[in-house]
Formats: sequence, structure tokens, C-alpha cells
Amino acid sequence: GNSVTQMEGPVTLSEEAFLTINCTYTATGYPSLFWYVQYPGEGLQLLLKATKADDKGSNKGFEATYRKETTSFHLEKGSVQVSDSAVYFCALLYNNNDMRFGAGTRLTVKP
Amino acid sequence: EAQVTQNPRYLITVTGKKLTVTCSQNMNHEYMSWYRQDPGLGLRQIYYSMNVEVTDKGDVPEGYKVSRKEKRNFPLILESPSPNQTSLYFCASSSGRGYQPQHFGDGTRLSIL
Repeated sequence: GNSVTQMEGPVTLSEEAFLTINCTYTATGYPSLFWYVQYPGEGLQLLLKATKADDKGSNKGFEATYRKETTSFHLEKGSVQVSDSAVYFCALLYNNNDMRFGAGTRLTVKP
Repeated sequence: EAQVTQNPRYLITVTGKKLTVTCSQNMNHEYMSWYRQDPGLGLRQIYYSMNVEVTDKGDVPEGYKVSRKEKRNFPLILESPSPNQTSLYFCASSSGRGYQPQHFGDGTRLSIL
């Protein structure tokens, strides 16, 4: 079945460090891919998305590229801030109705 | 302001005592759903609703009920809660099934003793 696997956390970085959170997926066909972010005490919010191979989603300095050959959608940011501390979820949408979330990766950024 | 509102935010209760978690959205969305979030498992869908009076099971529906009598409300009912239903619950809504982004509530943390 369709599924998402993302790197286990927690991830702890210093401010201005480079961030990568790995995400790989399993799906037949061509799903849409998403990163959602959950700030403490809040619900999930859509961070970025990509709907086809080689698309790059970007928002708030975060980027992720849809790589069909490696079935990956890794999240990156060049310089993290304390305010980026949150839980990040990779997700896929297959056939426009089957939504799957990864387990989430907790990021803590220290000043 | 576009919102999905869940109540209560926190609840500690005992096994077998019926409880309801309410969810309301003000965006006139047709699609609503309930998820539970557990460590290491991410979000798993419990039930969803495509429109008024139309509901269907998600991946983990056992022990839960829902109803959709009005477009804006989608309550989650635990008729006889058990400790394995201790979790963080999220309600979400969107314009249609599969339509993104989904708008999430702030979550309800349930502890069943």
C-alpha cells in the first residue's frame, strides 16, 4: 500500500545550521507530496507541496524536490531559526483521495 | 477568520464513560475528518465525511462513532472509551476529499484511565 517513511527524530540544531529531514515514499503511480508543520499546541499547517516529478515546493525558506527516481521528498532549509522548532510531517496524496502521513520528525533549534 | 474549533482541548476520564469531542468549521467545507496522532505512528485517519449525512471509515475506526447532521459540525463519539484510545486527536476540514490544504484544529488530548 501507499506509505511514507521519514527520518526519526528528534533533530536538534543550532540556530543558522543547515536542515535536512529525509522522506521517502512508496506508492503506485504518481502521488502528490506535501510537508506539513505542527507548532507546539497547534494543529498541522501545510508548509509546501509538489504535485509532479521534479517539482520543487518552497515556502518560508524551506524547500523540497519531488524525486521520482529515488522516491524521495527531502525537506531542506539553509539556515534554521529558533522559531522553526516544530514537528514536521511528510505526506502523500494518492489518487486524489488516499492521504498518508509519516510519523513526524521533531526539530528543536537552539539559540 | 477561517477556523476549525475542537472542544475540549484536554480531557482525562475513565474507562467506559461515554464522551464526545466536538469539531466545528466556519469555512463551509464539505469534507471533514478525524485523525489520531500517536508517537512513531504519525496521523492515522479514524473517520471522514464527504458531506452532510455521508460518513465513512478511515484506517482505525474501531471504538469510534461520528455523525454529520450539519455541514459545519463533525463530532467524534467514544461510546465506551478504553485506555488504548488515549491519544491526541485532530479534526480537519477541506473543500473536498483529497483537496489540500486541509485545515486542522488545535487538537484534543484525551487520557483514558
